[in-house]
Amino acid sequence: EDKVVQSPLSLVVHEGDTVTLNCSYEVTNFRSLLWYKQEKKAPTFLFMLTSSGIEKKSGRLSSILDKKELFSILNITATQTGDSAVYLCAPDNYGQNFVFGPGTRLSVLP
Amino acid sequence: NAGVTQTPKFRVLKTGQSMTLLCAQDMNHEYMYWYRQDPGMGLRLIHYSVGEGTTAKGEVPDGYNVSRLKKQNFLLGLESAAPSQTSVYFCASSYGAGGLQETQYFGPGTRLLVL
Repeated sequence: EDKVVQSPLSLVVHEGDTVTLNCSYEVTNFRSLLWYKQEKKAPTFLFMLTSSGIEKKSGRLSSILDKKELFSILNITATQTGDSAVYLCAPDNYGQNFVFGPGTRLSVLP
Repeated sequence: NAGVTQTPKFRVLKTGQSMTLLCAQDMNHEYMYWYRQDPGMGLRLIHYSVGEGTTAKGEVPDGYNVSRLKKQNFLLGLESAAPSQTSVYFCASSYGAGGLQETQYFGPGTRLLVL
């Protein structure tokens, strides 16, 4: 059975802190892994990772995938209150479906 | 409680064929949505529904039709499929009390390939 575990499930930090969000997965026919930020309504796309060891960056956010150990991390440096959201990871089970993790709820306090 | 489910999971169509994607939710949610996700892009809203019997257009509605005959189901139809409709389709639902700003719960996606 496909499984996605995210940790921590909830995190409270202060502005300026750096956070690391974890996503581990067990899926068959793995193709890629997507990270989303969900503040309200629909999640917004952050990254798609297909290759191990290649870091993707977007501003203060970065992410990397380890296909051997079956996990990915999402880093956010110099956090801001606007980073408060639920962060979802979703492995793409190629030809099957996407499996959304439960999400990490990040709260950034001023 | 299955949450949001989608049928089928994967489909290959030829140009011009028609098909219907089914989304079902068992959370008694009022609002339901259909999105498409293309490589490297964010989710784009196709159509949505704020209640049984009502539908509305989203950001990219052309080439799609929807129906919400039952509260728990939201159908997405392609009358004449085109290669540009090759995508992953996500259905979502939300309680609706907060309007379109509420947190949405997503289905697993349907991968559609149009040849």
